[in-house]
Amino acid sequence: NAGVTQTPKFQVLKTGQSMTLQCAQDMNHEYMSWYRQDPGMGLRLIHYSVGAGITDQGEVPNGYNVSRSTTEDFPLRLLSAAPSQTSVYFCASSPFSGETQYFGPGTRLLVL
Amino acid sequence: QQQVKQSPQSLIVQKGGISIINCAYENTAFDYFPWYQQFPGKGPALLIAIRPDVSEKKEGRFTISFNKSAKQFSLHIMDSQPGDSATYFCAASRNTGNQFYFGTGTSLTVIP
Repeated sequence: NAGVTQTPKFQVLKTGQSMTLQCAQDMNHEYMSWYRQDPGMGLRLIHYSVGAGITDQGEVPNGYNVSRSTTEDFPLRLLSAAPSQTSVYFCASSPFSGETQYFGPGTRLLVL
Repeated sequence: QQQVKQSPQSLIVQKGGISIINCAYENTAFDYFPWYQQFPGKGPALLIAIRPDVSEKKEGRFTISFNKSAKQFSLHIMDSQPGDSATYFCAASRNTGNQFYFGTGTSLTVIP
């Protein structure tokens, strides 16, 4: 099993550009989440999903969209990137609600 | 509003010493309290977790102490080793909705 994979590993965007961060898991987990990690702020939940077709907002959802068309994939979309979205983004999956999460390796995003 | 407060922000311990990291939470509905370990450039990985029906859980050199009445829990690393040098995050969640709240992290350095 590859576990949780994320692409790209690193991305530079200009303000106003859009992009999609990819996340995939091969563990058949129902629950998936997106976090951003900023210095001194820990990990903050952006959006999460409790199954295919079901998503909901976390603590910091503004500026991000998600969809969950399959169990395996959970892409995160930035519609119009802003410098405040410069961060490291982590995707995670879990077999059960509110229990062990398995994190991907992260995507480092720089918005100029 | 920080749902989970973590201290200290950084910690330096001699090899063989005990590392102690503390967390406090407000929401009494939380029922799962994990600790994650993160090495530079990697995603967080589950280290150990506890539920509020027990006051202590030990796995090897790692112990969680849980005080339900005080709404506090802590991670103890016995016989700390240089390989334990990493950032540690506490977190809390409920078993419904899959929303996790993380502390701000503790950077641990173990000096040989």
